[in-house]
Amino acid sequence: QLQLQESGPGLVKPSETLSLTCTVSGGSISSSSSYWDWIRQSPGKGLEWIANIYYSGSTYLNPSLQSRVTISVDTSKNQFSLKLTSVTAADTAVYYCARSAGFSMRRGLYFGLDVWGQGTTVAVSS
Amino acid sequence: DVQLTQSPSSLSASVGDSVTITCRASETIRTYFNWYQQKPGKAPKLLIYAASSLQTGVPSRFSGSGSETHFTLAINSLQPEDFATYYCQQTYSTPYTFGQGTKLDIK
Repeated sequence: QLQLQESGPGLVKPSETLSLTCTVSGGSISSSSSYWDWIRQSPGKGLEWIANIYYSGSTYLNPSLQSRVTISVDTSKNQFSLKLTSVTAADTAVYYCARSAGFSMRRGLYFGLDVWGQGTTVAVSS
Repeated sequence: DVQLTQSPSSLSASVGDSVTITCRASETIRTYFNWYQQKPGKAPKLLIYAASSLQTGVPSRFSGSGSETHFTLAINSLQPEDFATYYCQQTYSTPYTFGQGTKLDIK
């Protein structure tokens, strides 16, 4: 079945760039009915949606992070990635990648995060 | 951004009880709304999508209802594995937002 796995450094220095990759296995990232999302969770702010991307490269970004976030996709490797620049302690969190599956219903197309990676803890500290 | 407010923030119940969790949106989101369950150290799990559709594999004791700005998650006959934190999410407009969570623990 579809599995997602985050990878990247667990410790990033303040002002540097956080880089994470999500590898998709058991299915294609080029699925026409899926978006691919990054979400983070910190004790202070709960669950925060960061961004998502379609296999074509179309993206949606959270405006609160937009100036610092880049999300990209590599269909040849079945991976998508997140870069967050100029990090501070406030960016310390568990980062999850997830599939946003499209559910086609008579009343419309609905999305839900149906497959998640296990999460990776990223600490921002010198 | 659409703000989601869950209530209660925490809830104590016993095995076999039925409980209801509420989520209110700051503006209408039609039925672009999901519920998730999260256990400690684990990723959230999708329970309900489109406000009332049960995700494949989720027990039928879970049900969702609501539209526009008021949504509820009902759990009938609580089982030991249901004690967890529950989150709501809207996918009507970006940025997609989550509620602050409702922690359900054993009385």
